[in-house]
Amino acid sequence: QVQLQQWGAGLLKPSETLSLTCAVYGGSFSDYYWSWVRQTPGQGLEWIGEVNHSGTTTYNPSLQSRVIISEDTSTNQFSLKLMSVTAADTALYFCAGATTGGNWFDPWGQGTLVTVSS
Amino acid sequence: DIQMTQSPSSVSAFVGDRVTITCRASRSISNWLAWYQQKPGKAPKLLIYATSTLQSGVPSRFSGGGSDTDFTLTISSLQPEDFATYFCQQAHTLPWTFGQGTKVEVK
Repeated sequence: QVQLQQWGAGLLKPSETLSLTCAVYGGSFSDYYWSWVRQTPGQGLEWIGEVNHSGTTTYNPSLQSRVIISEDTSTNQFSLKLMSVTAADTALYFCAGATTGGNWFDPWGQGTLVTVSS
Repeated sequence: DIQMTQSPSSVSAFVGDRVTITCRASRSISNWLAWYQQKPGKAPKLLIYATSTLQSGVPSRFSGGGSDTDFTLTISSLQPEDFATYFCQQAHTLPWTFGQGTKVEVK
């Protein structure tokens, strides 16, 4: 059974870069598209973007100019960088996987609360 | 983007009640719809995908239906562990988008 474990800084100042990493345990790393999703009380769940097994990335146009998602197949990890954060980026961030051709998310990481405050 | 609208935003029900949640897409998504359950402080859990296929391990009291733009999630007999928030997600067109959630509360 595939499990995800995520980590990263939880408190940032405005204009800093959010950086989170997600490690994949069990299963085949190349069988999934790996995504980041965030959740806020006001905006609900928002898909940020994904990286597939060949390293190709797709981003939500709403965040595309500030996001980089990358993968490291040697360590079975993938990462999120969100640049120039503001208070509006305060959210609970999840990593998640979707099997090829499925586009629905299972498994999920445990979530990381990221707060942006001066 | 495809907008997903859930109704109601919250529902109060007794254990044993039948509960139905609706999700409407702003344009046709065929059967590319998933449902998730989320409990406080936890990640969403995939319940149903492709409109009506139960994820492994999900109890049969959960069922999904619909097509094109209108979809439902039904819990046939609500159990204490089912009190949670439920989200729909369209998996038809990037960017993937979610409904705003329906909170199922104890009456």
